[in-house]
Parts: sequence; structure tokens; C-alpha cells
Amino acid sequence: QSALTQPRSVSGSPGQSVTISCTGTNSDVGGYNYVSWYQQHPGKAPKHMIYDVSKRPSGVPDRFSGSKSGNTASLTVSGLQAEDEADYYCCSYAGSYTWVFGGGTKLTVL
Amino acid sequence: EVQLVESGGDLVQAGGSLRLSCVASGFTFSSYWMHWVRQAPGKGPVWVSRIISDGSSASYADSVKGRLTTSRDNAKNTLYLQMNSLRAEDTAVYYCVRDSRYNMDVWGQGTTVTVSS
Repeated sequence: QSALTQPRSVSGSPGQSVTISCTGTNSDVGGYNYVSWYQQHPGKAPKHMIYDVSKRPSGVPDRFSGSKSGNTASLTVSGLQAEDEADYYCCSYAGSYTWVFGGGTKLTVL
Repeated sequence: EVQLVESGGDLVQAGGSLRLSCVASGFTFSSYWMHWVRQAPGKGPVWVSRIISDGSSASYADSVKGRLTTSRDNAKNTLYLQMNSLRAEDTAVYYCVRDSRYNMDVWGQGTTVTVSS
């Protein structure tokens, strides 16, 4: 149950796009299409942004998109806005009814 | 409105016990798997446990097996986490989370557990 690997930080200017990677193994990210992404602002609970690799819950802007290739999932935020500045975490089902999160990525809007 | 409200967090000495509760509203609680997820200060979330909808089966992270036990009372729309033999590394905000087909879609506001050594 090792944590998924994410970059510690990414940054971009308003209007630009950034991509956050999430690398696991073929026992988690690569083995299942149950990858989700969460946004967390300071002092708040995580918010569900992407599920099943690339699906958006209702109410999440289409600026947020997800994808997966092999053992690496990615979250892309397009048209960056100031309110997108937050911590982002990926999560994957890891088999045997266990789940694993990534260590988190701090997104800074310059 | 779909809502999860945790309670029961406290300051406890190492080796002690605590029971967390989570009351669900706005959805049919008995139809959903539920999770506990914890987040230590300054760290990312860590999955702790999952329980199926009727409460007959639960799974746990290796780090908590044998010490933490998840249960539920569907008549009371309530999820529980019994925490025994607490350690300093159990210090965290504990979130109650709804499962939606192997994804975690609704989170509570969290309750804080602090274990002093």
C-alpha cells in the first residue's frame, strides 16, 4: 500500500494549462479504471473533481479533465483561474477492497 | 442536501481508545459503502477502512488492522470507527466518506484526533 507518486508542486499563470501526474503500479492505477482526483483548499475537506479516470461530477467545470496511460494518471486544469490554487490528490482502487492516495501536488497560480 | 457530519474526535493518551461517529443525511445511507480516510497535519489523505452497505464486511489498511474497527447502524444512518491501542501516528483529521462505485464522492468536514505520547 505505497502512496502514489505526484509532483510536489506545479504552477501556471492565469489562462494557462497545467498537468499533474500520478504514478502508481499495475496493481493500482494501471490495473483499474477507478482513479479519482480531489481538490483541497486550506482548512477544508477534499472535493471530488474527477472519477473513473476521466469523468466529471456535476458542477465541476469542464476546465478540469483526467486521463490515464499505463501506470500514470493525469489531471489537466485548463484556463487557470485564481480559485484553482489548491492542493490536488489522486486516488486509485488497489484491489482486495483497498485504496491508495497520492502524496499531493500544490498548484500555484502565478 | 447530501451531508456527512463526524464527531467524537478528542485528545487522548497513547494506548487509549476513542469512538468516532458519522451521521449521514440527504441520501439512502443503507445503500452505500462507506470509508474512513485520515489526514495527518501537513500530509495527504490516507485510506483507513471501507465497510459494505449492510455492514457485514469491512476492509482495512495494514497500518490499522487489529486496532481500528469500522461498523455501521443503518437504522440510525450512522457510521462508526472504534479506535483502540492508539499511537502518536494515528494523530490526524478523520473524514467519513461516501463510496460511489470505488470512487469517494462525498466527504464530511472531518473530526480531529490527537494522540499524545
